[in-house]
Amino acid sequence: KAGVTQTPRYLIKTRGQQVTLSCSPISGHRSVSWYQQTPGQGLQFLFEYFSETQRNKGNFPGRFSGRQFSNSRSEMNVSTLELGDSALYLCASSLGGRDQPQHFGDGTRLSIL
Amino acid sequence: AQSVTQPDIHITVSEGASLELRCNYSYGATPYLFWYVQSPGQGLQLLLKYFSGDTLVQGIKGFEAEFKRSQSSFNLRKPSVHWSDAAEYFCAAMPRTGANNLFFGTGTRLTVIP
Repeated sequence: KAGVTQTPRYLIKTRGQQVTLSCSPISGHRSVSWYQQTPGQGLQFLFEYFSETQRNKGNFPGRFSGRQFSNSRSEMNVSTLELGDSALYLCASSLGGRDQPQHFGDGTRLSIL
Repeated sequence: AQSVTQPDIHITVSEGASLELRCNYSYGATPYLFWYVQSPGQGLQLLLKYFSGDTLVQGIKGFEAEFKRSQSSFNLRKPSVHWSDAAEYFCAAMPRTGANNLFFGTGTRLTVIP
């Protein structure tokens, strides 16, 4: 079974731009969660989508948004990029229940210049 | 407040030595508990999980973890460390009610000396 696939692996952007990251979950998984990982703040939850609906949201500004398609693939968008948005963005998929482990992709490394 | 604490930022062990990484949680009810490992430049790989029942949980790569309700702990252990175990280890919790997302500890970086 293929794992969680995130594209692209690396991105370089400048302040003020916007960016879209993509995540393809494990086949059969309907839940996709996004996390931001930085050296200072560690791993922080952004949001979770289940069956095309945002089911849960972390404490991030509205510049961070996402969506999920009917095939469970998900995209995350960040608008008006700031230097502090430089991070590793991780996507995780699961079957959707609380007792279902989340499986992570290798992440997208976003650097803001 | 709900939280996961990993008291050790960095641990160094010799290859072949035993390992224990500490994790404590603070929740009203025992959450679902997980250990993940992250190698440089990669995502998180699930090592093991605890939901209920047997308090000693076996995982992949020879790791095990013991859940102790009285100490609110879920420590990760390995009897004999290999050089390839050098990585960052994260303890995580999923509440049984309320927010449906993982809460992570700050991680413990493991260095293995040959």
